[in-house]
Amino acid sequence: KQEVTQIPAALSVPEGENLVLNCSFTDSAIYNLQWFRQDPGKGLTSLLLIQSSQREQTSGRLNASLDKSSGRSTLYIAASQPGDSATYLCAPWYNTDKLIFGTGTRLQVFP
Amino acid sequence: DAGVTQSPTHLIKTRGQHVTLRCSPISGHKSVSWYQQVLGQGPQFIFQYYEKEERGRGNFPDRFSARQFPNYSSELNVNALLLGDSALYLCASSFEAGGSGANVLTFGAGSRLTVL
Repeated sequence: KQEVTQIPAALSVPEGENLVLNCSFTDSAIYNLQWFRQDPGKGLTSLLLIQSSQREQTSGRLNASLDKSSGRSTLYIAASQPGDSATYLCAPWYNTDKLIFGTGTRLQVFP
Repeated sequence: DAGVTQSPTHLIKTRGQHVTLRCSPISGHKSVSWYQQVLGQGPQFIFQYYEKEERGRGNFPDRFSARQFPNYSSELNVNALLLGDSALYLCASSFEAGGSGANVLTFGAGSRLTVL
């Protein structure tokens, strides 16, 4: 069964800290992996796509790494800001036409 | 360019009723997927359509159905609503089907369904 686990489930930090959000998936035969951000009651905003042939991807203060063999991806957020407060979801994409989601990491960054 | 648009944004129904949710993909995108997100959980896959054909179906009862139109817009229908159908219903589009290459899934803002 394809499952995704995200650790920690919740995180509360003062602004300026560098953060690490972890994602593990049971089936390592992924095609791609996407990281999303979701604000309360809103849809999902795509942050980064890592293709299976890549080991990392960067966008601004965000960096995501992928280790397919161990079934892990990590999202790094540098110099966190209150505007980063949201739920972060990782979703691997397998040889099916669907993403598998975990329950996410709920992040709160306070001033 | 407009993103993925969904309607209605909010709706309230009673048990046993029927609901139709609508989605317009990003221009040029041929694949549309539907996901259900119950409060506190990650989204769960319901359907995917590509070029007007069903490409995938999640573990949902037959009360859930969908279709894709020639202009690639899509409808999700749910019959005989149950309290447990209360959720945020998300539509997503992509240029192609499947997770290979640089194919990215872009989500709409969702339709919030409350069943009383």
